[in-house]
Parts: sequence; C-alpha cells; structure tokens
Amino acid sequence: GAGVSQTPSNKVTEKGKYVELRCDPISGHTALYWYRQSLGQGPEFLIYFQGTGAADDSGLPNDRFFAVRPEGSVSTLKIQRTERGDSAVYLCASSFSELETQYFGPGTRLLVL
Amino acid sequence: AQSVSQHNHHVILSEAASLELGCNYSYGGTVNLFWYVQYPGQHLQLLLKYFSGDPLVKGIKGFEAEFIKSKFSFNLRKPSVQWSDTAEYFCAVNVYKAAGNKLTFGGGTRVLVKP
Repeated sequence: GAGVSQTPSNKVTEKGKYVELRCDPISGHTALYWYRQSLGQGPEFLIYFQGTGAADDSGLPNDRFFAVRPEGSVSTLKIQRTERGDSAVYLCASSFSELETQYFGPGTRLLVL
Repeated sequence: AQSVSQHNHHVILSEAASLELGCNYSYGGTVNLFWYVQYPGQHLQLLLKYFSGDPLVKGIKGFEAEFIKSKFSFNLRKPSVQWSDTAEYFCAVNVYKAAGNKLTFGGGTRVLVKP
C-alpha cells in the first residue's frame, strides 16, 4: 500500500509566521512520530502519538511547537512565531504498533527566512 | 538519556571494497538497535535491527551488523560494496520495552562508492 506521505514537501516562510506541516501515516498504523533533522545531523525525536493522544512530547523544543492527531490518523505539526533556527527537515514516521518498525515519510523541508 | 555516536562523518571507497561503519551508544540498560539508510532523494528506510538473540544480524542488500554488548557497539558491515550503496547511514537506538519506541539517532555517515 501507500507509504507515509507528508505535505508540503517544501515550505518557505518568514520569521514570525505560523506554519502547519501535515503527515498522513500508513493506513492502520496506530503509532505516529515526528522527528526534526537539521543540516548535517541525524533525526531528533519531537513527539509521539498512540492513537489520538500525544503519549510523549518530551522532544518538542518549546511551546511554539504543537502537534495534533484528532482522529488517530492524519497528524499536523504546528509551529508558531517561526524562527530561523526552526529551519530543518521535519520527518514523520508511523508504525503498526509502538513496538514495530517505524516507516518514514519523505519529510517537509522548512526554510525560515 | 541515551545517545548514539557514529565515528565517521564521510567515507569514500571503491566498488568491491569492504565497508565497516562504527556505532556506539551510551545507555546502561537493554536497548534495541537499528541501522537506517537514506539513498539520494529517497526516504529513510530500515536496513536491519537487533532486538535480542543472535548478536550478528543480517539485513537487506548484503548488510550485517554485530552487537557487542561489552563495547556498547553495533557496527555495520558489508564485505563488498556496490556503487548503489552510496547513501547516508544512520545508527539508532531505543530503550527496550519503553513506552513509545522513540528512536535516538547518531549523526549519520555519508558513504560514497566510486565506480
């Protein structure tokens, strides 16, 4: 079936603006993860959903970042008052259950000018 | 909290050469270990994983990795690389049976295989 999809693939915004990044997981996957990958680094964990609830949001860098998954499928990562340091590739992954292999999407490349 | 270090940032080698990428983690408890690969223009995908049992793990495309608990290492190997192995390789760990299965990644190693 289809893999994890993320939209948009690229997003350019200005400092101070609000952005939303969308993740559509593999159908039937209950676990969903967001990671952030800065240039030259490995992905860093942001938040994990099991179903509709955020089971672990310990990786969110500050309160400008928020994510939702209202129906237990699609998730949206929201960033308020963007800063240049938020520029990165935002990766989404899903798995059938929390102990199964994570499948990654292509990422959204965010550039804050 | 656990951390992962990958010793080489860049590796350049010729086709048919052997490849070994180092990975060390710091965590005192039981971990699950992974190697992911990202080919140019593609998604991160799983190469292999270790949860328990035989410490020598076979993955896709002829890759293998050996878990050495005493050295906190999980090095990736391939006896003879091909040009198509050009990619970035990431080692990752998570805490065994911890809720959420969040992965901690190393910084990655870019591998360039010259034809």
